[in-house]
Amino acid sequence: SQQGEEDPQALSIQEGENATMNCSYKTSINNLQWYRQNSGRGLVHLILIRSNEREKHSGRLRVTLDTSKKSSSLLITASRAADTASYFCATDIIQGAQKLVFGQGTRLTINP
Amino acid sequence: EAGVAQSPRYKIIEKRQSVAFWCNPISGHATLYWYQQILGQGPKLLIQFQNNGVVDDSQLPKDRFSAERLKGVDSTLKIQPAKLEDSAVYLCASSFSGGSEAFFGQGTRLTVV
Repeated sequence: SQQGEEDPQALSIQEGENATMNCSYKTSINNLQWYRQNSGRGLVHLILIRSNEREKHSGRLRVTLDTSKKSSSLLITASRAADTASYFCATDIIQGAQKLVFGQGTRLTINP
Repeated sequence: EAGVAQSPRYKIIEKRQSVAFWCNPISGHATLYWYQQILGQGPKLLIQFQNNGVVDDSQLPKDRFSAERLKGVDSTLKIQPAKLEDSAVYLCASSFSGGSEAFFGQGTRLTVV
């Protein structure tokens, strides 16, 4: 079964606008990661946030983590056409050993 | 730095046939993952290795799927016999340790007809 659930499943915005995606998870984690997948390609790591961190920035990306609500959000500012992709959150589940489990993803479309 | 290598990139087989996928992780990465990604869905973890030991294979259909990681480096994933519902992209990834940033290969797109 999947650990993370992204919301929304699909998002379409105009170039230049900000895009926000949310992820909820079920069990305790050490960290949460966000990945991007362009059509037909492998996944690319974007950012990792640890359970003792609340917010992290990387370029136009801003990630927040609320462990009390078991949720995270990814904000992409000033979106570009090249940001069109699927975005996945992944959590490391601690059940004996850490394993990396992905959600179903958000399909982001940036319209020119 | 060389990335995660996977082969083949594409494979078409008939149902009930067997198929094998190969993965060469990034040098020095102890953790290796195999994921199955069906079109429109997120990657589903099939098996995770730590060196040459299995960390988790709870979602691996063991009646038809098998995987090994010899000498803690390369890995192969085999399906025998294949079913139509096995049509998917099979992704291999590696990381320095469990839970750290994972690096993905380009995947193998399997079509079972």
